[in-house]
Amino acid sequence: DTGVSQDPRHKITKRGQNVTFRCDPISEHNRLYWYRQTLGQGPEFLTYFQNEAQLEKSRLLSDRFSAERPKGSFSTLEIQRTEQGDSAMYLCASSDNLIDYGYTFGSGTRLTVV
Amino acid sequence: AQSVTQLGSHVSVSEGALVLLRCNYSSSVPPYLFWYVQYPNQGLQLLLKYTSAATLVKGINGFEAEFKKSETSFHLTKPSAHMSDAAEYFCAVSGKAAGNKLTFGGGTRVLVKP
Repeated sequence: DTGVSQDPRHKITKRGQNVTFRCDPISEHNRLYWYRQTLGQGPEFLTYFQNEAQLEKSRLLSDRFSAERPKGSFSTLEIQRTEQGDSAMYLCASSDNLIDYGYTFGSGTRLTVV
Repeated sequence: AQSVTQLGSHVSVSEGALVLLRCNYSSSVPPYLFWYVQYPNQGLQLLLKYTSAATLVKGINGFEAEFKKSETSFHLTKPSAHMSDAAEYFCAVSGKAAGNKLTFGGGTRVLVKP
């Protein structure tokens, strides 16, 4: 197992375009989390899945954002009509047991909206 | 509700000197506490965690942290800084009632001087 994989690593897009990011968690992990990190800040929670069910969404996740985890495996995060304020690092993490193992984070997708 | 405050956004230490990073938390339930390290353009790596067992927790790379309930603190220390410790460090809190999602502090960037 190669850990949590995120694709792409970097994305530059024009304002108003749609973008989609992918996260492949560690295969036996049933929980998957998305976080957003802006420059100089700690990561902020966006949403999480237990298997294929999306159990919680942050108020940061406006209606332009949507996340899916079909079949409880990989997940996608889509941002529609991107704005400059969406520029950030989008981090994915997975966990089987937070108490014993914590999260395993991917390397993130850095989004720049121009 | 949970929150984390990291005192000092930047810390500068000499190689071989003590590293002390401060973290105070607020939690309405018994907390689980974590320290993560982030190198440039990378995801977060777990250094150590407190999950209601021993209050002095030892982690990777020579780091340790002590949970002090009376002070609501979880400060991170390393007796002797190494150049490779230059990175950003995040304290995070979670709890059973929080759906296992992490709430992060704003981070402390560590600079190690030769």
